[in-house]
Amino acid sequence: DTEVTQTPKHLVMGMTNKKSLKCEQHMGHRAMYWYKQKAKKPPELMFVYSYEKLSINESVPSRFSPECPNSSLLNLHLHALQPEDSALYLCASSQANLGNDEQYFGPGTRLTVT
Amino acid sequence: GESVGLHLPTLSVQEGDNSIINCAYSNSASDYFIWYKQESGKGPQFIIDIRSNMDKRQGQRVTVLLNKTVKHLSLQIAATQPGDSAVYFCAESPSGGSYIPTFGRGTSLIVHP
Repeated sequence: DTEVTQTPKHLVMGMTNKKSLKCEQHMGHRAMYWYKQKAKKPPELMFVYSYEKLSINESVPSRFSPECPNSSLLNLHLHALQPEDSALYLCASSQANLGNDEQYFGPGTRLTVT
Repeated sequence: GESVGLHLPTLSVQEGDNSIINCAYSNSASDYFIWYKQESGKGPQFIIDIRSNMDKRQGQRVTVLLNKTVKHLSLQIAATQPGDSAVYFCAESPSGGSYIPTFGRGTSLIVHP
């Protein structure tokens, strides 16, 4: 199984809502990532988890809260988002975060904030 | 700051032609480069990578060329097919750190049948 799955595929939420994005992989990878991608732009790194510990936070606003319950799962909790947070949120995993490991990306969650 | 960029945002080719997608990078500390393909509605997909101790690497129908002198990276696709239509991103990773690629701007490849 070389697949990264993400749910939901689409999400529409109001600015006062609380929602969560989910990501799962069963490749035994120990590094997992969240990216944000606006239309016609490259993915931008948000968070990196290495061995279930947060290792990188790219100065992401606190309304985005990542969580790694175990080595296969990665969540992104959303609260009080702004319309400009509307984007495609991509999850990725790699064998480890030790350098030059191939990343596997999920299909993304298309988020719209109204 | 230093960044990875692309020369051409859109490339249109005829089916069967060879395609060349270019990428310029400015971080001289970069030593690992990757090309990704992103189809509509999907996440980026790894195509091919190259390390700075090489100047050419070949895969199935794809070749990556690295010119460190001018900090230039290119992806060549042979006998381009309609299924190759996608946005292509180059990404670079500096030496001495964790694998956190910085993505370039992206080129949209359109293959006409």
